Amino acid sequence: SQQGEEDPQALSIQEGENATMNCSYKTSINNLQWYRQNSGRGLVHLILIRSNEREKHSGRLRVTLDTSKKSSSLLITASRAADTASYFCATDDSGSRLTFGEGTQLTVNP
Amino acid sequence: GAGVSQSPSNKVTEKGKDVELRCDPISGHTALYWYRQRLGQGLEFLIYFQGNSAPDKSGLPSDRFSAERTGESVSTLTIQRTQQEDSAVYLCASSLVASGESQYFGPGTRLTVL
Repeated sequence: SQQGEEDPQALSIQEGENATMNCSYKTSINNLQWYRQNSGRGLVHLILIRSNEREKHSGRLRVTLDTSKKSSSLLITASRAADTASYFCATDDSGSRLTFGEGTQLTVNP
Repeated sequence: GAGVSQSPSNKVTEKGKDVELRCDPISGHTALYWYRQRLGQGLEFLIYFQGNSAPDKSGLPSDRFSAERTGESVSTLTIQRTQQEDSAVYLCASSLVASGESQYFGPGTRLTVL
């Protein structure tokens, strides 16, 4: 079964709006990572948050982690058309592999 | 520096044929991973290499799938007697060390089995 599950499955917003995507997982983790994928090919690493961190920022990205609820959120502020992509969360349970969710398809309309 | 590269970028084969997919990790990365992604789905872990340790093969879906890695460099994923359900994008990733580090992905190989 999937460790990470993203919500919503699809999100459509207007340029300039904020986009929030959520991820829930089931087991204890070492860290949680967010990736972006354009056109079904290679993934681009966005941000890594460790289990002892609660919030992390990178440019227009803000990630939160709540280990008590086993959930994370990715916020993209002031979205752009170029942010249109699939976004995946992936959990690292210290077993070396990453377990990915099904992804959220974000569409930013110009 | 150069990222993870994979070849071929696309592969079309007939059912029953064998295929080999290649991955060149980032130089100096000791950990290498293979994943499979079916259309519209997330990534499934296949196999992981860390240095000279025995690989973690627990994600391989059947004995038709195998992978090798030469030292800390190139890896090949081999699928024997391909089936239509093997059609997917096969993604390779590498990281500096295993666990707790970000993984850097290649562009993937899109495999289509007719």
